[in-house]
Order: sequence, then structure tokens, then C-alpha cells
Amino acid sequence: AQSVTQLGSHVSVSEGALVLLRCNYSSSVPPYLFWYVQYPNQGLQLLLKYTTGATLVKGINGFEAEFKKSETSFHLTKPSAHMSDAAEYFCAVSYTGNQFYFGTGTSLTVIP
Amino acid sequence: EAGVAQSPRYKIIEKRQSVAFWCNPISGHATLYWYQQILGQGPKLLIQFQNNGVVDDSQLPKDRFSAERLKGVDSTLKIQPAKLEDSAVYLCASSLGTADTQYFGPGTRLTVL
Repeated sequence: AQSVTQLGSHVSVSEGALVLLRCNYSSSVPPYLFWYVQYPNQGLQLLLKYTTGATLVKGINGFEAEFKKSETSFHLTKPSAHMSDAAEYFCAVSYTGNQFYFGTGTSLTVIP
Repeated sequence: EAGVAQSPRYKIIEKRQSVAFWCNPISGHATLYWYQQILGQGPKLLIQFQNNGVVDDSQLPKDRFSAERLKGVDSTLKIQPAKLEDSAVYLCASSLGTADTQYFGPGTRLTVL
């Protein structure tokens, strides 16, 4: 079955430190890949997505992710964490634009 | 541009009762999605519409859940009868087409007692 795995349900980083949120997918067919952020009591917002082309994708708020086919990964990074980055982050995959699967989420805490 | 609207925002019912949720997508968006997000989990796709046709409803519990998008715009999701395990946030999203960016509404938080 197609699925997506997010390693680490909770991640804590200090303000100004590197943010790394991990996402791996299981599929022999390269999927479309997404990262969403969910702030408390708000809807999900797209951070970035990969469909085709350049494997390093830049998104909003300074986030970026790299699609690595050999590792079936799509990890999310940000060089310097801000307090405002504290939220729930979801990785998602889709196959041909349908059959969307979300990971279980990673809660990011930023320590002042 | 107005976002995806959902109502109600909160609903509390007793088990075996019925409930309906409403979603108004962004104008011009052909694709509409309903997701169920149980506390501590990621959203699970229940049903995907392309205009007023169903693209995917493989994870919709059809014995109790139903959804429609009669005119290809607004959509309703119904649960009848509700069970305790249906307690979740129900999210609606829309996109211009399949594989395009999905825009999510604020969700409806359902509590089944």
C-alpha cells in the first residue's frame, strides 16, 4: 500500500537553529509530494510541493525540501527557526493528482 | 479572494444521531475534497469530486457516510447514524484541478457523545 511516514511526532529546536522534518514515502512510482503547515485552530496551508523538474523545491516562509528518489525521501528544512514556525507539519503524497495520503504529522516547538 | 468556507465550525451530537456539514469551495475550483482528521493523526481523504462527479471515494464508509456536490459547486457531507469514532475534524479543500494546490477550509469539529 502507498503510504507516507513522518519520523518524529515531536521536534524541538532552538530559535535560530536548523529545522529538519523528515518524510519518507513508499512507492515504486515517484509521487507528487507536498508539505503543509497547520497552525492552531487554522486550516492547512501549503508550504511547498514537488511534481516534476528540479528536485530542490523552495516554499513560503523560508522552507525548502529536496526530493531524493534513491532515498524515497522529501525532508523539509529551514536554516533558521523562528518562533512563528511553531506548528504542526504534514507531509503528503499523491499519485497522478488523486489518492492523497497524509503523514501523521510532526509538531514543531521552537524554544526561545 | 474568498477562501474555502465551511459550516458549522463546531457540532456536538449523540451517537446514532445524524449530522451534515457544508462546504463552499473557492470560486472556479473544479475539484473538491473532504477529509477526516482524527486527533493526533493526519487528514484522511474521504471523497474527491471533479465538478459534480466522484473521482475517489475508496475510503468513505459508505454504510453511514454520504456526500454530494449536485451543481458542481457547494458540497455536503452527511453522517447517518454517527458513531463515537466519528469524532474528528472534517476538512474541506478545493483546487483548480487534480494535482493543483489544495486550499483548505477551517474545518468542522465534530464531537459524538
